[in-house]
Amino acid sequence: DSGVTQTPKHLITATGQRVTLRCSPRSGDLSVYWYQQSLDQGLQFLIQYYNGEERAKGNILERFSAQQFPDLHSELNLSSLELGDSALYFCASSVVGSTYNEQFFGPGTRLTVL
Amino acid sequence: AQKITQTQPGMFVQEKEAVTLDCTYDTSDQSYGLFWYKQPSSGEMIFLIYQGSYDEQNATEGRYSLNFQKARKSANLVISASQLGDSAMYFCAMSAGGSQGNLIFGKGTKLSVKP
Repeated sequence: DSGVTQTPKHLITATGQRVTLRCSPRSGDLSVYWYQQSLDQGLQFLIQYYNGEERAKGNILERFSAQQFPDLHSELNLSSLELGDSALYFCASSVVGSTYNEQFFGPGTRLTVL
Repeated sequence: AQKITQTQPGMFVQEKEAVTLDCTYDTSDQSYGLFWYKQPSSGEMIFLIYQGSYDEQNATEGRYSLNFQKARKSANLVISASQLGDSAMYFCAMSAGGSQGNLIFGKGTKLSVKP
């Protein structure tokens, strides 16, 4: 158990809908990362937050947004869902969020868009 | 641009033998980190080992060691005394430079341990 929690574990929804994925980092970790894992794109970085502020952006679509709250939990919002958004979404956390920090991953949320 | 290359889509190893999973990287940064993660069929990503670009000694964690050759830009994972539970996907990753730290992943190697 990495100490990172993600809910829900599975999510099935329809095209055009909006969903929210939730992540709680390990105790003491200030930085949260979101990654998407799909068969065709592999593991891709989406966005990073550090202590409530956005720090880095990767291949995140405009239909997706995220935030980190004062209690350090984070939410990833996916809207106008398309079939291609079906993927495993991981949240990871690290102490500070720099090059030298190990990232610990949550169990993931498997999103299926029908 | 930073890139991780894992050239072995699949590998087989006999139980109790050692196996090396290859990873090469490309970056113009002087400061970076290299990571290996294990993803079993259940889907979770398990952190295995980390090597910093300025670390002079190869990292080791139990049965895992990282063979870091900076001049060749390689960071191979060595698993000693393979166990059936080692069967999984293995991903090599590199952290972006500076204060960000987001990971860039390779495509992974599927390791199968034979009894």
